Amino acid sequence: TQLLEQSPQFLSIQEGENLTVYCNSSSVFSSLQWYRQEPGEGPVLLVTVVTGGEVKKLKRLTFQFGDARKDSSLHITAAQPGDTGLYLCAGFAYSGAGSYQLTFGKGTKLSVIP
Amino acid sequence: NAGVTQTPKFRVLKTGQSMTLLCAQDMNHEYMYWYRQDPGMGLRLIHYSVGEGTTAKGEVPDGYNVSRLKKQNFLLGLESAAPSQTSVYFCASTLGTPFYEQYFGPGTRLTVT
Repeated sequence: TQLLEQSPQFLSIQEGENLTVYCNSSSVFSSLQWYRQEPGEGPVLLVTVVTGGEVKKLKRLTFQFGDARKDSSLHITAAQPGDTGLYLCAGFAYSGAGSYQLTFGKGTKLSVIP
Repeated sequence: NAGVTQTPKFRVLKTGQSMTLLCAQDMNHEYMYWYRQDPGMGLRLIHYSVGEGTTAKGEVPDGYNVSRLKKQNFLLGLESAAPSQTSVYFCASTLGTPFYEQYFGPGTRLTVT
């Protein structure tokens, strides 16, 4: 069973601060997806990182996939209240013969205080 | 496009009652999924479908049944609801590869008393 651990579980920061959220596993993933979920809504895909060491930027959000494809981080620069939400990482693995698996972390709940 | 829609948005059931949750997608996606989300437990896969007329069990299938009679619809049934099934249920779909880059619906909040 593949597990993904996210840290921290909760994060409350002031507007304008920087933050980093981590997603770690002992398993290797083919790719890693990051989702954001706002209260009362379903998760929305933000980005997929595929290659070990890959860095992707989405405005003030920077996503990095670890070299060994076992971990990932999400860094937010100058957080804004609109960044508030639950951030979920999900590891995608293909083990051959049509066997696919997606493992979700439990999420980091971010609150950005104006 | 509406994307993925779920009906109803909220529901309260009494123990032992039955109900069906409806998920519809208008993106012509091949694969569809049902998850439940509980505090501290994250998203857990209940059942999924890799195509019209096919379904498979996920991580927590007990107490649930599903059907995919049409490509655009995926139904989740609870035959005899239990308080442990109180949760928020999400439907999702993907296009070309199972489980890859999922589109989620807005969720159904179910309370079983």
